[in-house]
Amino acid sequence: GAVVSQHPSRVICKSGTSVKIECRSLDFQATTMFWYRQFPKQSLMLMATSNEGSKATYEQGVEKDKFLINHASLTLSTLTVTSAHPEDSSFYICSAPPLADVETQYFGPGTRLLVL
Amino acid sequence: GQNIDQPTEMTATEGAIVQINCTYQTSGFNGLFWYQQHAGEAPTFLSYNVLDGLEEKGRFSSFLSRSKGYSYLLLKELQMKDSASYLCAAMDSNYQLIWGAGTKLIIKP
Repeated sequence: GAVVSQHPSRVICKSGTSVKIECRSLDFQATTMFWYRQFPKQSLMLMATSNEGSKATYEQGVEKDKFLINHASLTLSTLTVTSAHPEDSSFYICSAPPLADVETQYFGPGTRLLVL
Repeated sequence: GQNIDQPTEMTATEGAIVQINCTYQTSGFNGLFWYQQHAGEAPTFLSYNVLDGLEEKGRFSSFLSRSKGYSYLLLKELQMKDSASYLCAAMDSNYQLIWGAGTKLIIKP
């Protein structure tokens, strides 16, 4: 079946640095990818919708200058957490619906970010 | 390899009970999650099981058998609003989520 990968799987960084997280669809193309943040045992919180060839759409309360999203191709979206702070520590998950089946979403394994 | 299996689609009647099964194979195990996702919305957390047994939470219950690599989500007194996709996800030894493809549940009056 369709696979979505994320890289890195976990990252530890110092406060004030920037971290880039990649989301790739491995065997399908996606014009849209979604970025979520998850706190332990809680629902996934949609942060933004990444659109290939155009600007990302951010949910209310999510700072677009802090969470930079670039949908570089039909198989790659990146989320960059700029000037990371300890409160940005979380589990970040992406998902993507294939072009051929936009009603289905495939989720990535997640990236665990720890900001010291 | 790591794998999660759950039925693609199920149909049930309003007021009835439905059980959605999920089997998993992972490298290590750090718990199993169930989420509900309505079309166009983010997944909503339903349950987390890491120990064997049944956990009940209102109309929804979740069961886990670690030795069998098996879980199910039980929905009672079905309501039309329960029509959604139900996602099963297992967390492996690296705390990575392995996702099932989701079960689309259709509720009929």
